Amino acid sequence: DGGITQSPKYLFRKEGQNVTLSCEQNLNHDAMYWYRQDPGQGLRLIYYSQIVNDFQKGDIAEGYSVSREKKESFPLTVTSAQKNPTAFYLCASSLDFEETQYFGPGTRLLVL
Amino acid sequence: DAKTTQPTSMDCAEGRAANLPCNHSTISGNEYVYWYRQIHSQGPQYIIHGLKNNETNEMASLIITEDRKSSTLILPHATLRDTAVYYCIVRLPSGNQFYFGTGTSLTVIP
Repeated sequence: DGGITQSPKYLFRKEGQNVTLSCEQNLNHDAMYWYRQDPGQGLRLIYYSQIVNDFQKGDIAEGYSVSREKKESFPLTVTSAQKNPTAFYLCASSLDFEETQYFGPGTRLLVL
Repeated sequence: DAKTTQPTSMDCAEGRAANLPCNHSTISGNEYVYWYRQIHSQGPQYIIHGLKNNETNEMASLIITEDRKSSTLILPHATLRDTAVYYCIVRLPSGNQFYFGTGTSLTVIP
C-alpha cells in the first residue's frame, strides 16, 4: 500500500530542545518537501529535495534543518533557533520536481 | 505570493453540485491550474489539474475559461465528506513549490 507516512501525529517540544519529525514514502518519488501551516493560513515551504543527498531552502528555512540520505526518507529537525515552532507540519513528495505533489497526514508540533 | 483569488467560504446542499470558482487573471501561458482540498487536521489531498482544456476524473471536473483567467472546480454530487478547504493553485511546471493561499471553506449541508 503506497503512500507517505509522517510520525508522530502529535509532538511536544520543551523550550531549547531540538525535535525531529519523520517523513517516509514508498512511492519511489525523487522529490520531497516540507511545509509549515499555521492556523487559518496556507502552506509555506521550509525545505525541498529534488534528489538524494541534495536539498534546498524554501521561504522559511531559518531554525530548521533536513537531511536526505535515502530516497525514501526526508526528516525535518526543528531546532531551538526556531522561536515559534508551534504549527502543523506537512511532508509531500512528487515523482520528480515538475510533477504533482502528494501529501502526508501531517505532524502537529506543540511547545510546552 | 498569491496568484489566485477564491471566495472565503461557500455552502452547498448535499447531493447538489458544488461549483467552486477561482480567479487567476495573471496566469502565464505555461502555468497549470491545480486544485487540492484539506479536511480539518489532515494533509492536503490532490484533486485535479489542467492547463487549457477542461479535465474530469473520478473526483471532480475542472473548467478553465478560454482566456485562462479563471476556472471552476465542480464536485458533481456533493456529500458531507466533501466538507473541506479547497485550494486553487497556479504553478509553472518547473516551479519548486505550490503556493497555497487560504482557499475556500466549503460546507456541505444535509
